[in-house]
Amino acid sequence: ETGVTQSPTHLIKTRGQQVTLRCSSQSGHNTVSWYQQALGQGPQFIFQYYREEENGRGNFPPRFSGLQFPNYSSELNVNALELDDSALYLCASSYYRGAYNSPLHFGNGTRLTVT
Amino acid sequence: KNEVEQSPQNLTAQEGEFITINCSYSVGISALHWLQQHPGGGIVSLFMLSSGKKKHGRLIATINIQEKHSSLHITASHPRDSAVYICAAGAGSYQLTFGKGTKLSVIP
Repeated sequence: ETGVTQSPTHLIKTRGQQVTLRCSSQSGHNTVSWYQQALGQGPQFIFQYYREEENGRGNFPPRFSGLQFPNYSSELNVNALELDDSALYLCASSYYRGAYNSPLHFGNGTRLTVT
Repeated sequence: KNEVEQSPQNLTAQEGEFITINCSYSVGISALHWLQQHPGGGIVSLFMLSSGKKKHGRLIATINIQEKHSSLHITASHPRDSAVYICAAGAGSYQLTFGKGTKLSVIP
């Protein structure tokens, strides 16, 4: 059973650029959630994908967008990067889309620095 | 909007001590998750519970639905338990609200 893998592990971008982060779900999981974790804070929910459809979204602007592919891997895209986008981005996969009935399996995250 | 508060923010303990981390939330929830985050950033799910108590090794998690409160206990703490412990509350169908975390340092 393979775990959740994220790539890249670290990334440095300039303000205004665009970035794509990738996440491979744990085998058999059809749901992926993305989170943003600023330094010293708890993670903030960005959005969730279930079977290739966006299933829910947190309080993030439209320049944060995502995709889920038929193999349930996922991408997070951020356009027009801002300095405040600097954070650890985590993805978590699960077998069910509910927050109440399925443990989460997290990747190690992508550390994004915007200069 | 669900607010999740953790206490304490920082905790230093001697090896072998019994440790308690608290989590309070403001609205009714469907599940409460306890997570462990190591310095590299990766997060491990420790418990998911909606009532009562769960135990895994030296870790015990309890939840009181009426009081909107959960606790994570570590018995016989060890330096390898040093990490940030985060609780997350699920009140809807998909969204989790996270606490800011409790940074635990266990000294040999």
